[in-house]
Amino acid sequence: GQQVMQIPQYQHVQEGEDFTTYCNSSTTLSNIQWYKQRPGGHPVFLIQLVKSGEVKKQKRLTFQFGEAKKNSSLHITATQTTDVGTYFCAENYGGSQGNLIFGKGTKLSVKP
Amino acid sequence: NAGVTQTPKFRVLKTGQSMTLLCAQDMNHEYMYWYRQDPGMGLRLIHYSVGEGTTAKGEVPDGYNVSRLKKQNFLLGLESAAPSQTSVYFCASSYPSSYQPQHFGDGTRLSIL
Repeated sequence: GQQVMQIPQYQHVQEGEDFTTYCNSSTTLSNIQWYKQRPGGHPVFLIQLVKSGEVKKQKRLTFQFGEAKKNSSLHITATQTTDVGTYFCAENYGGSQGNLIFGKGTKLSVKP
Repeated sequence: NAGVTQTPKFRVLKTGQSMTLLCAQDMNHEYMYWYRQDPGMGLRLIHYSVGEGTTAKGEVPDGYNVSRLKKQNFLLGLESAAPSQTSVYFCASSYPSSYQPQHFGDGTRLSIL
């Protein structure tokens, strides 16, 4: 079945260091979404990528969609303690029904 | 607006007991979803609904039933709880498109002893 692989599973960084998480799919994707879940919280939508090679930025966060639309990445520049949480990518597999397959997430911890 | 509201927030059950998790959304979303989240497993879709009166199975539907009698509510039932169903359950909703973000509730932490 369709799978989305997300790496790394954990990342520990010193505050101010950069952080990147990667998602790879076995199939060509129509779109990919990214979510953030704070400790003890619920997933919150960050962004969606649709176009091949698309790059979107949100302040210190940069999201990329691969040219072949089979992979994506989230890069955080100069991490802060507020970035702590688990970052999930999610790919659409349900056609128009909006069903998502979530990666297992990358748990980011930031040491002040 | 409250968004997506889940009740209860916590519950402890004994093996074999039954219960219903409630999800309510006030965003007039057509689509609703139930996920379970286990350590290291990400979010896995249990059941979903694309409209009032319709439901469908997701990735891990066994042991669960759902109902969508009203557009704003999506119920998840456990008929005979098992320890393997100990998990955090999230409800989500969205507009009717695969390009729309999903909005999640705060979750229900369920322990089956």
